[in-house]
Amino acid sequence: ILNVEQSPQSLHVQEGDSTNFTCSFPSSNFYALHWYRWETAKSPEALFVMTLNGDEKKKGRISATLNTKEGYSYLYIKGSQPEDSATYLCARQASGSRLTFGEGTQLTVNP
Amino acid sequence: DAGVIQSPRHEVTEMGQEVTLRCKPISGHDYLFWYRQTMMRGLELLIYFNNNVPIDDSGMPEDRFSAKMPNASFSTLKIQPSEPRDSAVYFCASSFTQGWGETQYFGPGTRLLVL
Repeated sequence: ILNVEQSPQSLHVQEGDSTNFTCSFPSSNFYALHWYRWETAKSPEALFVMTLNGDEKKKGRISATLNTKEGYSYLYIKGSQPEDSATYLCARQASGSRLTFGEGTQLTVNP
Repeated sequence: DAGVIQSPRHEVTEMGQEVTLRCKPISGHDYLFWYRQTMMRGLELLIYFNNNVPIDDSGMPEDRFSAKMPNASFSTLKIQPSEPRDSAVYFCASSFTQGWGETQYFGPGTRLLVL
């Protein structure tokens, strides 16, 4: 993996469904993995920052895991709601403060 | 705190004109980042400052782009002369003592359209 890659690119689910997305990143020279939530016409909002292999973070119905050895992170949403509709971005932080963002997963939750 | 403040929120200009985007970071934050978001390239870092000093400007596309941070509470991103391909949303973000994993807080963005 040379760049930060996210899958799927887009996802449509029904209200109440649980869902998850993947972020893959180069495992070398890794410092931190960031997840952001980005609603249309707004600015990216930080969800989680994870640094250690095996880290798990949770905020309400949203949780994330991190595997730095194999270079991936999962974001889970339990019981999706229409207000969860947004683009979910992950970003890898290597040396320094530069973040490299993936292209995001666009989630649409249908009522 | 009011969060990261950017102005203007929208800018429409003609090709060849100078454009200046402004950012006020969150008080006490010592890192400031300028990003550009386009459909083709997604969200990409242009430049970032630490304690008002540019640290990494490798993302600045060309000499037409310049950024300054004269003090801890103000930064500008200037495009001169502007071109239609500069049309994008420009975000400013700030963070505190970036080591490993400090969150970056984004401003509302400036939507630039160059005709």
